Amino acid sequence: EAQVTQNPRYLITVTGKKLTVTCSQNMNHEYMSWYRQDPGLGLRQIYYSMNVEVTDKGDVPEGYKVSRKEKRNFPLILESPSPNQTSLYFCASSPTGGSTNEKLFFGSGTQLSVL
Amino acid sequence: RKEVEQDPGPFNVPEGATVAFNCTYSNSASQSFFWYRQDCRKEPKLLMSVYSSGNEDGRFTAQLNRASQYISLLIRDSKLSDSATYLCVVNILGGGADGLTFGKGTHLIIQP
Repeated sequence: EAQVTQNPRYLITVTGKKLTVTCSQNMNHEYMSWYRQDPGLGLRQIYYSMNVEVTDKGDVPEGYKVSRKEKRNFPLILESPSPNQTSLYFCASSPTGGSTNEKLFFGSGTQLSVL
Repeated sequence: RKEVEQDPGPFNVPEGATVAFNCTYSNSASQSFFWYRQDCRKEPKLLMSVYSSGNEDGRFTAQLNRASQYISLLIRDSKLSDSATYLCVVNILGGGADGLTFGKGTHLIIQP
């Protein structure tokens, strides 16, 4: 089944403890992206990747890191989480990015709470 | 001015009614338009693409008005299961390397 898999679904952690949220897609998509969603603010892009070893900042990259060593995986890393990073996170992929970017396939989300 | 704007609602609509809402975009270079549906705390899913000629899928109709720079979504004979947040997504040529800009969504509540 074609899908984007995010793990974990729920995560509670404490300030300063490094964590990684994994994202994997099995559709051979070139484009992958991370979003956070907060009440009243909608979906905001954190980082995106147009292809392997190509990553770019989105609208709210501060406090986050990503890597794209393989086409299928795009982990989100929080080196030193803070309470303002408590949010619902979504990973997404699509066949291509840029002007041909169309249908996005989303993972099921990760609810992160930083205490 | 925000690039993609939606009325956040909520729109409270009785079951069986017809409801319509719009999404305005500010960049005339916008070239592709989509409606996504998002249930509470779930991932967004593509509802339909919006073509220049309009697009109809069952009870759902999407329209594009390039002159006034908005897209619309109309839902006929609304069902309880239509309750969700509807996100407008625009692909803007030159609007960042990945192209896509999201609206904040319109919250729709269908009441029995």
